[in-house]
Amino acid sequence: DAKTTQPNSMESNEEEPVHLPCNHSTISGTDYIHWYRQLPSQGPEYVIHGLTSNVNNRMASLAIAEDRKSSTLILHRATLRDAAVYYCILRPAQGGSEKLVFGKGTKLTVNP
Amino acid sequence: KAGVTQTPRYLIKTRGQQVTLSCSPISGHRSVSWYQQTPGQGLQFLFEYFSETQRNKGNFPGRFSGRQFSNSRSEMNVSTLELGDSALYLCASSQPWGAGETQYFGPGTRLLVL
Repeated sequence: DAKTTQPNSMESNEEEPVHLPCNHSTISGTDYIHWYRQLPSQGPEYVIHGLTSNVNNRMASLAIAEDRKSSTLILHRATLRDAAVYYCILRPAQGGSEKLVFGKGTKLTVNP
Repeated sequence: KAGVTQTPRYLIKTRGQQVTLSCSPISGHRSVSWYQQTPGQGLQFLFEYFSETQRNKGNFPGRFSGRQFSNSRSEMNVSTLELGDSALYLCASSQPWGAGETQYFGPGTRLLVL
């Protein structure tokens, strides 16, 4: 399973942008980059995913480096509700399995 | 559309007992995966079922088993419970069309083994 590296924790202030980095230097050409987050006392929830191009949705933006060895999840204006553990996960494009390999993730603290 | 539901939400068992957890996926989803989450090991993949067949299995002992029914509902069973089995057990469902598809997680069943 391809490995990702994330900082253990990050801190932000409410209404400020947050950039959560992820390194995946062993990514293969067909691996998708997925981000999930887990709020306290809840199951993980999908945030965003991408392959090569930057992606935007109502929750966040995903910036993918040109060599695809790293990516950054961007929360444009953090709210207290965004306090969670954020996981960066690589998923092979071949399919045949829905298995997600979770690392330790980044625990995001949002200060009021 | 209703989300993934898991029952029961909380459970207390004693060592040596067995337990069965249930997961109802989102309507139309045919793939169900199970995960164990502990403070020490984090989120670990247990197994995945698609069309009533186990398609992938994580590195857990044979005491952990599961099945999927024709309506895609799934159960997992843990026999001869050990203290270390205390964890949050999460179920996720998806349409298994490929790596671009997202998975939807339930709230989990918190199991405490005494």
